[in-house]
This record gives sequence, C-alpha cells and structure tokens, in this order.
Amino acid sequence: TQLLEQSPQFLSIQEGENLTVYCNSSSVFSSLQWYRQEPGEGPVLLVTVVTGGEVKKLKRLTFQFGDARKDSSLHITAAQPGDTGLYLCAGLIGNQFYFGTGTSLTVIP
Amino acid sequence: EAGVVQSPRYKIIEKKQPVAFWCNPISGHNTLYWYLQNLGQGPELLIRYENEEAVDDSQLPKDRFSAERLKGVDSTLKIQPAELGDSAVYLCASSLGLAGADTQYFGPGTRLTVL
Repeated sequence: TQLLEQSPQFLSIQEGENLTVYCNSSSVFSSLQWYRQEPGEGPVLLVTVVTGGEVKKLKRLTFQFGDARKDSSLHITAAQPGDTGLYLCAGLIGNQFYFGTGTSLTVIP
Repeated sequence: EAGVVQSPRYKIIEKKQPVAFWCNPISGHNTLYWYLQNLGQGPELLIRYENEEAVDDSQLPKDRFSAERLKGVDSTLKIQPAELGDSAVYLCASSLGLAGADTQYFGPGTRLTVL
C-alpha cells in the first residue's frame, strides 16, 4: 500500500491542452518531490517543494504543495508531446521518500 | 559525469531460478537505494545503504531477497528462488547523503521477467 494516491491514473490529451495531476495523502510530509519517468529510464527529479502552500514554476509546469503538507498538484499549461511520461510524486518522512501511485500522461500531437 | 549504471538491462528467467542485479552508483555518493517498480506504478523501497551499512531493509523480503554493498561502492541485489510475482523493474538510485538533504539519481533499471 502506497502512502500517496495520484489522480488520474491515466491521462490522454491533445497537444496544447492544460492538465492537472493530483497527489494526495493523509500523512504529513517534510517535503514533496515530483519526478517524470520515460519508458526504459529511471525517474528524473523535476522539483522539490518544502513549505506548506509553496508554489514553484518550471517553464510550463506549476507545482503546489498543500498548506497542510499532505497533498500536492502539478499543472501543465499547453502540453506538448515531449511532456509524455509517467509523473510521480514522492513525499519525505524521516529519511525516506514514499512514491505515489503514478500518473501516465500521453500528449497526442 | 557518469550516472547510475545498472546491469543487466533485461533479464528473463524461469521461476525458481536465481537472479542477480548489479548497480554502480555515481562516484562519491554514499547512499544507495534499491527500489522495485511494477508497471505504471511508483517505485517502492526495498533497501537503503549508507556507505556499506544497510540502514533500512524493512521492505526487503528476506526469505528470498538479499543485497550487499561491499566496500560501500557498488551493490548487488539477488533473488533466490525467483517467483512469478517478482516480475518488475528493479531500480537503483544513489545520493550524495541522506534522501532528505540530497537528490536521488536513478539508474535505468533492470526489467525482470519470470516465466
């Protein structure tokens, strides 16, 4: 059983559309990370958020950490085919990151 | 700088056979992790090493899984005997220090298929 539930599990959208991925838990995390994983590769870190309510932007990606540090969201504006991949959130408790259930995104040209 | 290296990339074995995976972390990284990842799911930690010491192996099924990190550098994860349910991707990651303080860098993984 994974501590973090992500929704949706699968998402298929047209190029240029916007989307939001959610990462929810009943646990409180010291920090939360978002990764993107492409087929045949390991996850690659996109961002780390530490403070409740924190918002970080990375080009067309906006990450938000919930005020209570139990949840997070990832918003992508004007999605591109290069955004296709498995998006994973991971929350830190102690010295261990617990990964979410994953959201598989496909952006159709 | 070279990333985390894993071998083999793919392995197909029959059930009840043994199998071993090898990981070489980024040079100078003291912390090494082994994760199991099922298709489309998030990785789950199997074991974490700080240097050569296994500091968290609570999720490692010790009846059939074993790991070692001799000299605190590269590491080997072994399954003996393998079961059908062990089919998954086994990821290795490393970080300079503790997970909370330093970024984890992942290798490409070893995809295991047990027939």
